[in-house]
This record gives sequence, structure tokens and C-alpha cells, in this order.
Amino acid sequence: QQQVKQSPQSLIVQKGGISIINCAYENTAFDYFPWYQQFPGKGPALLIAIRPDVSEKKEGRFTISFNKSAKQFSLHIMDSQPGDSATYFCAANRGDSWGKLQFGAGTQVVVTP
Amino acid sequence: NAGVTQTPKFRVLKTGQSMTLLCAQDMNHEYMYWYRQDPGMGLRLIHYSVGEGTTAKGEVPDGYNVSRLKKQNFLLGLESAAPSQTSVYFCASSYSRGTVTSTDTQYFGPGTRLTVL
Repeated sequence: QQQVKQSPQSLIVQKGGISIINCAYENTAFDYFPWYQQFPGKGPALLIAIRPDVSEKKEGRFTISFNKSAKQFSLHIMDSQPGDSATYFCAANRGDSWGKLQFGAGTQVVVTP
Repeated sequence: NAGVTQTPKFRVLKTGQSMTLLCAQDMNHEYMYWYRQDPGMGLRLIHYSVGEGTTAKGEVPDGYNVSRLKKQNFLLGLESAAPSQTSVYFCASSYSRGTVTSTDTQYFGPGTRLTVL
């Protein structure tokens, strides 16, 4: 049973639009929430990450929103570009679990021109 | 720096055959990991290593063995391949455990696509 639930499975957004991907978790011991981006035929690469002591983190067009009480976090991609077309994975980790990330199932994002 | 490399890129096995996947990293990372990626399942941890000569089980270790004889290499072995092991395998590495609240970045290799017939 996946400890991190991710939705939607896929989404299509027009160029310039906003992509939103949501993740939920149950384990309150999780203290690190990274998002990974994966292009076809490549390995995942860290995109942005957040810790639960902040509610939002922004890096360029990518923003993580974190709701500790709801045990949810989301990735917003502003001004989506065709080059953002990829699969996005949320993940969570406990500080005492030696870097053993728990991944969501992934969201395939397609940005149309 | 090549980062994390994996060998081979593709492989087709018959049920019962054995093989070894090789992962190498040139970043002097202490921690290394093997994941499998299946549609709709995300990435699941198979085995990991926190240093040369040490290995431990992850979430889905059955049917796999690993060895970390050198700090830069992490090998994943399938002794008797089964169709259920058809997957894409990713190796990753990270510098250390990080702080108590664990903010390490894991660096992934390009993957090995394995098909077991």
C-alpha cells in the first residue's frame, strides 16, 4: 500500500496554463517532501523540496504548497511550457529512515503548444 | 563527472536466468539505492547501502540480492529471473544521511529496462 497518494494520474494543460498535482500522506513522521521530474528514457531528477516548517516554497515557475494539518502537499507549475512535459513524482521521507523515499505513483503532464 | 551510470541499458532474460545490474557513481557518495519503477506504482526501493560493505533491505527485496564491495559501485543481482521482475530499474546515490531531518538529494541513473519472458 502506497504511503503517498498522488493525483491526478495524468493531465493536459495548454501552454501558459497552470498545472497542479496533489499528494496526500498519512505518516506524520514524514519530514521531507521532494518532487522529482522525469523525462522519457531518463532517471528522475530532484525538482524542488519542502520541509513541514514552511507552508510554501517557490523556485522559478515551480511552487510547493504544504498543508501540515491536512497532510497534503501540492506542486504548482505556473506558465506551463512544452518543455515541462514530463512525469512528476512526489515523495516523502522520515528523518530516521536513512533516505528511504516513499514515492507517489506519478503524474504524466503534457503541455500542448 | 558522469554522475550515476548503469549497465546495461536494456536486457531480455528468460525465466530462471540470472543477471547482474551494475551501478557506478563518481560523486563519492556514501549512500546508494536500487529502485524498480512500474506503471502506476511509482518507484519502490529494493535494497540500499549506507556505505562500502553494508547493504539492507528496502520495500520489495524478494528475489534480489545486492553487493557493495567498492564505495563507487552497487550491484543488483537476480538469481532466478521471473516475469514479475520485468521492470525499469533505477540506481540512485546520495552524499549522506544529511541532518536529523534528512534533506538529502538522491541522484538517479538513466535506468535499465529489463524484460523477463
